[in-house]
Amino acid sequence: DTEVTQTPKHLVMGMTNKKSLKCEQHMGHRAMYWYKQKAKKPPELMFVYSYEKLSINESVPSRFSPECPNSSLLNLHLHALQPEDSALYLCASSQEGLAGGLPYEQYFGPGTRLTVT
Amino acid sequence: AQKVTQAQTEISVVEKEDVTLDCVYETRDTTYYLFWYKQPPSGELVFLIRRNSFDEQNEISGRYSWNFQKSTSSFNFTITASQVVDSAVYFCALRPWMKTSYDKVIFGPGTSLSVIP
Repeated sequence: DTEVTQTPKHLVMGMTNKKSLKCEQHMGHRAMYWYKQKAKKPPELMFVYSYEKLSINESVPSRFSPECPNSSLLNLHLHALQPEDSALYLCASSQEGLAGGLPYEQYFGPGTRLTVT
Repeated sequence: AQKVTQAQTEISVVEKEDVTLDCVYETRDTTYYLFWYKQPPSGELVFLIRRNSFDEQNEISGRYSWNFQKSTSSFNFTITASQVVDSAVYFCALRPWMKTSYDKVIFGPGTSLSVIP
């Protein structure tokens, strides 16, 4: 199973709502990532978890709150978002470390398309 | 500063034509990693290839080939005999070598390839 799943596929929320995005993988990967991708732009790294601990936070506003409850699951809790937060949110996972001197490739999910109204 | 440039924003080719996607990167590191990803309309990024900075050997995988030239800081990608299924956005990416930072993937802006039947 080389799949990263993300739910929901689409989400529309108001600026006062609280919602969560979910990501799951069963490949035994210990590194998990959240990216934000605006239309016609490359993905931008938001958070990295390594062995269920937050290792990188790319100065993301606190209205985005990541959580890694176990090695297979990654959540992104959303609260009081702004319309400019509308984007495709991608989750990825990879093995930790290097293989043959190269970082392992990241496996990406299909993303959650978020619209904030 | 680290940066990836993909000068071609959009390319259209007729099916069965060959097409080369350019990637130029900037880094002061002597050790680094380069990647190519494909993003079809479905949204998920698909890993294509990875290279470390010491491996300048060109690679061929089916209709895909990559030309890495350290002297010109380029890592170009060629699709031979293009097919409609190749239509996607292609991202070139750079990852630093330090464990504390090689999770930070620096993506180029992407090249949107349309293959016309």
